[in-house]
Amino acid sequence: SQQGEEDPQALSIQEGENATMNCSYKTSINNLQWYRQNSGRGLVHLILIRSNEREKHSGRLRVTLDTSKKSSSLLITASRAADTASYFCATVPNSGYALNFGKGTSLLVTP
Amino acid sequence: GAVVSQHPSRVICKSGTSVKIECRSLDFQATTMFWYRQFPKKSLMLMATSNEGSKATYEQGVEKDKFLINHASLTLSTLTVTSAHPEDSSFYICSARDGALNTEAFFGQGTRLTVV
Repeated sequence: SQQGEEDPQALSIQEGENATMNCSYKTSINNLQWYRQNSGRGLVHLILIRSNEREKHSGRLRVTLDTSKKSSSLLITASRAADTASYFCATVPNSGYALNFGKGTSLLVTP
Repeated sequence: GAVVSQHPSRVICKSGTSVKIECRSLDFQATTMFWYRQFPKKSLMLMATSNEGSKATYEQGVEKDKFLINHASLTLSTLTVTSAHPEDSSFYICSARDGALNTEAFFGQGTRLTVV
């Protein structure tokens, strides 16, 4: 079932700017993951953050997790046109195994 | 990372026919695979969890007789859309994990199904 809610639904920025996307969820989780999807393609895993972690970095990506607020954010720094894609957060609940996806944020980075 | 291969990438079929979509884990064994459906500009909706050697677990509202799932080996799961209708047209994506709960999932390339 859908759990995550991304915010904003769409984001348009210029190259070099930072992009911040937020995700909220409802139930307790084992971990939260962010994925990227180019139009009409499969999903690519970006980063996983466990429920006992608060922040994680990977290259130009920074993810935070606040389990008290049941929210996470994905920051892409120094964005590039190639970052244009849809970004989804997905949670793995403590009681389950499948990923539950949010609605996604559509990011457009213009040169 | 691990590779999940999904085939076909695109298929067009006539109403009333059945379509089979394959999902293979190429370099790892997947006891569990997942099938998702995605509508245009929408998120992924979990349809079912496919378990090797046993029956699939379907999400509420997903017709198991319409969306037949078979997971006969540790590297292959298939989704068959039976008696397809235009409203079944969608993007179907499979995924699998190479490990426990706190590991990333690997996704197939997706299958664009168009029923005419």
